[in-house]
Amino acid sequence: GAGVSQTPSNKVTEKGKYVELRCDPISGHTALYWYRQSLGQGPEFLIYFQGTGAADDSGLPNDRFFAVRPEGSVSTLKIQRTERGDSAVYLCASSLSGGANEQFFGPGTRLTVL
Amino acid sequence: KQEVTQIPAALSVPEGENLVLNCSFTDSAIYNLQWFRQDPGKGLTSLLLIQSSQREQTSGRLNASLDKSSGRSTLYIAASQPGDSATYLCALYTGGFKTIFGAGTRLFVKA
Repeated sequence: GAGVSQTPSNKVTEKGKYVELRCDPISGHTALYWYRQSLGQGPEFLIYFQGTGAADDSGLPNDRFFAVRPEGSVSTLKIQRTERGDSAVYLCASSLSGGANEQFFGPGTRLTVL
Repeated sequence: KQEVTQIPAALSVPEGENLVLNCSFTDSAIYNLQWFRQDPGKGLTSLLLIQSSQREQTSGRLNASLDKSSGRSTLYIAASQPGDSATYLCALYTGGFKTIFGAGTRLFVKA
């Protein structure tokens, strides 16, 4: 595709439920990032993939959060036992090969936990 | 620990005015600095990327400068238009895998 795509655009769920958020990066980009953005704040780093492996997952807030990228392209962010504090916009970005390369962002998924 | 601050947090200007947005950071050991635009409810659009060896980048009415020694970057917008209304974010890549963002400046250009 022409850019980074994310689905769904909006997700409303109940406290305690499980959710999956999907990111489809720009074709050929080996680096993929997940960020979380709360209202009025800049994005906060969650996890970085280089190819299929998570090179840095130090930003994941706790073990309820997990992400995969099994074939080095599409990535899924998984949140178990959602809490109201998980409500935020989850952004995905990709870059050609990571490092100092320019990052291109998707439109985000707005997650609301009731 | 690297901290990124953007001042002002919000700015309202009349159409046609030239303006400067500021981004300051505490650790000068950066690889690059990127300016983004974010429209309400949307993702981030990359505006300019300045590598650490560069001092400025220009794209149309936008000019971004970088002074690592003073820990500052500025985004200059010439002849502002109502369509420039958005939140502007700066982001630093400091090595490793993380990019650190400021909280952004919300810009409103009045017609």
